[in-house]
Amino acid sequence: DIQMTQSPATLSASVGDRVTITCRASQSISSWLAWYQQKPGKAPKLLIYKASSLESGVPSRFSGSGSGTEFTLTISSLQPDDFATYYCQQYDSYKTFGQGTKVEIK
Amino acid sequence: QVQLHESGPGLVKPSGTLSLTCAVSGGSISSSNWWSWVRQPPGKGLEWVGEVNHGGSTNYNPSLKSRVTISVDKSKNQFSLKLTSVTAADTAVYYCARGALEGFLDYWGQGTLVIVSS
Repeated sequence: DIQMTQSPATLSASVGDRVTITCRASQSISSWLAWYQQKPGKAPKLLIYKASSLESGVPSRFSGSGSGTEFTLTISSLQPDDFATYYCQQYDSYKTFGQGTKVEIK
Repeated sequence: QVQLHESGPGLVKPSGTLSLTCAVSGGSISSSNWWSWVRQPPGKGLEWVGEVNHGGSTNYNPSLKSRVTISVDKSKNQFSLKLTSVTAADTAVYYCARGALEGFLDYWGQGTLVIVSS
């Protein structure tokens, strides 16, 4: 089974900050990685697929990078609407989610 | 625009069977996509349960494989989840989602809370 490890678990930041979340896979998954945003009481929303491809309609302040086992999600300038929990997910072999990173207001 | 909607009992007794259905609208379940179930215990992270395609082929989370069955009903444009021998640990919000051809999940239902309790 492929395990996904996200860090940090919680991140405190201010509006306008540059934010980076890391996701590590237990084995190489090439670029088969997606990032989702989830707000309380809502379904996850796809942000990034294939490690760095921006889903249609997602603001360009979101970007993804990485391949193999190391991946990052970057928010270039944090906006009020971005305070949420973020999950990475591999789809190289079945599907596995990371444990999530909560971005909270500093 | 594809829409998914989960339905089923919100309360299941321990040792019983959890049964949910996901109705798909705005798209055909007979497309080349895979159709997934994902669950989220209260206050915790997301867990992929399994998936089915229009031909009835399935893939399951190894940790749940012995208890899970996912099936498709093309005539009703829906797919279903059955989870047997449930315990309190199976209490969660259950989401259905569409897998894009590449494998990521691009459309999600709003989720339904299932509580396992006597």
